[in-house]
Amino acid sequence: EAGVTQFPSHSVIEKGQTVTLRCDPISGHDNLYWYRRVMGKEIKFLLHFVKESKQDESGMPNNRFLAERTGGTYSTLKVQPAELEDSGVYFCASSQFGDNSPLHFGNGTRLTVT
Amino acid sequence: GIQVEQSPPDLILQEGANSTLRCNFSDSVNNLQWFHQNPWGQLINLFYIPSGTKQNGRLSATTVATERYSLLYISSSQTTDSGVYFCAVEGSYIPTFGRGTSLIVHP
Repeated sequence: EAGVTQFPSHSVIEKGQTVTLRCDPISGHDNLYWYRRVMGKEIKFLLHFVKESKQDESGMPNNRFLAERTGGTYSTLKVQPAELEDSGVYFCASSQFGDNSPLHFGNGTRLTVT
Repeated sequence: GIQVEQSPPDLILQEGANSTLRCNFSDSVNNLQWFHQNPWGQLINLFYIPSGTKQNGRLSATTVATERYSLLYISSSQTTDSGVYFCAVEGSYIPTFGRGTSLIVHP
């Protein structure tokens, strides 16, 4: 079974540019989460999809961040325009719907905004 | 939301030493996982352990759900064990991470 894959693994962009991160969850996993770890700090929740619906986006820092999950499959997280404080590692995780379902994480996308 | 506290925040060991990492949580949980973030930044799933005890090689974990804590044991530590160890819990809320324990193992 293929794991959660994220693309790109690294991205370096200038302040003001746009970047789109992609996450492909494990096939059949309805839950998809985005998290962010900034400058070695804690791993912060951004948002949660169940299939194509946003269940909770309380962690999204501001309206420069836009997440979508087309058809309940892969998800994208767009940052537009990027700011310096957006730098960090963005993780995606998926799990099966329901209790007793462990999270499976991708390898993350390291975003550097200069 | 649920509060997750990990201790100690930092830990330095000599190779071969044993250690215990702790995760306390403020509410009942359905899921609890321990992760290791390696020096390359990858989050590696160590244990899925909402209750009970599990062992995998030199690592073992115990969760006492009624007392709202989990322990991760590392025996005979190796330099490759270095990194940050996170616990993540899920109850009625989205999975929430603790701040992690940063472990350095010296040769």
